[in-house]
Amino acid sequence: DTEVTQTPKHLVMGMTNKKSLKCEQHMGHRAMYWYKQKAKKPPELMFVYSYEKLSINESVPSRFSPECPNSSLLNLHLHALQPEDSALYLCASSQTRTGGIYGYTFGSGTRLTVV
Amino acid sequence: GNSVTQMEGPVTLSEEAFLTINCTYTATGYPSLFWYVQYPGEGLQLLLKATKADDKGSNKGFEATYRKETTSFHLEKGSVQVSDSAVYFCALDGGATNKLIFGTGTLLAVQP
Repeated sequence: DTEVTQTPKHLVMGMTNKKSLKCEQHMGHRAMYWYKQKAKKPPELMFVYSYEKLSINESVPSRFSPECPNSSLLNLHLHALQPEDSALYLCASSQTRTGGIYGYTFGSGTRLTVV
Repeated sequence: GNSVTQMEGPVTLSEEAFLTINCTYTATGYPSLFWYVQYPGEGLQLLLKATKADDKGSNKGFEATYRKETTSFHLEKGSVQVSDSAVYFCALDGGATNKLIFGTGTLLAVQP
């Protein structure tokens, strides 16, 4: 299995809703990432987990809450989002500390629309 | 800090034309370099990579050579197809942290 699987593929939520994005990989990678991508822009790093511990938070607002329950799963909990948070949310994984050698594997993303 | 600069798009080519998308980088140390491709409505796919100077990455007819002397990693393909139409991102990993730094992306449109 060489894939990163993200669910759901599409999500529409209101500004008062609580929802979660899910990411799963079974490649034995020990680093997992959340990226946000706005239209016609490159992905922007949000969070990095290394060995199930949060190692990087790129000053992301607290309405985004990541969770890594085990080495294969990564969640992003969403609460009280704003319309400007609408974007494609990408999950990625890599072999921790050697991500640069073997590369990063990305999922197909969740397209989020906040109404 | 580390950064990546790639040529502005869109790049519009006819089928079977030669493709070059320029990418230069600024980094301390010895970064790894990548090209990712994003087809419409999809996530990113790793196209090719190079981890040290003079390495050539290649995949699906695309090639890029890690040039430390010119700090470049230009993407080339000898004969593009309509199915190559996508956004191409150059990226680097500085190695000190698990952070992938992207260029702004270049939209390629190939016409039949």
